[in-house]
Amino acid sequence: QKEVEQNSGPLSVPEGAIASLNCTYSDRGSQSFFWYRQYSGKSPELIMSIYSNGDKEDGRFTAQLNKASQYVSLLIRDSQPSDSATYLCAVNKVDAGGTSYGKLTFGQGTILTVHP
Amino acid sequence: DTGVSQDPRHKITKRGQNVTFRCDPISEHNRLYWYRQTLGQGPEFLTYFQNEAQLEKSRLLSDRFSAERPKGSFSTLEIQRTEQGDSAMYLCASSSTPTGGWNTGELFFGEGSRLTVL
Repeated sequence: QKEVEQNSGPLSVPEGAIASLNCTYSDRGSQSFFWYRQYSGKSPELIMSIYSNGDKEDGRFTAQLNKASQYVSLLIRDSQPSDSATYLCAVNKVDAGGTSYGKLTFGQGTILTVHP
Repeated sequence: DTGVSQDPRHKITKRGQNVTFRCDPISEHNRLYWYRQTLGQGPEFLTYFQNEAQLEKSRLLSDRFSAERPKGSFSTLEIQRTEQGDSAMYLCASSSTPTGGWNTGELFFGEGSRLTVL
């Protein structure tokens, strides 16, 4: 089982729709969760971080975390063609002593295509 | 200094040659990370530094790979005797840790150095 799993897609949604991206992780010691957006040929760009159960909203983006189910998701409302990219889920673990080193484990990414 | 910079952005080399990549992190960031990304995959952790100390190396980092951060500022990643399987994007990222605080894990990536081994 991969440590962080995402559906690779591609996920295709019409402009203006809600895009829903999902991610599961295997390590219950995970403490921090991130969504990065990566355009083709570019580097990952942080768009959302979430640390506690529930929802976190930032503009058109909402991250949802359920630690009991080991599940994190990203909703993009009013999707735009400029949102077309690969979305990477990343997880930050802690060691046995509870120390976080900021070392992220990434999923393989979900390709999102928003068509006009 | 507005972001993480990497050089060169692209490198094409022949199998067996050595290559070196440089990363300049965001100036106030004390942690620096190297990741590798191949097509269709997420970034994979290679190694990281806190200031000048290399604190962890992935098992992915074979003996042909070496990374340094001599003064706790810029870092270099050298690959000796390159192989075709080394072809990838090499990403550098940095982050800061508040004094006595817990690193949240928010990383800021550079644009990457794309390596092609012929």
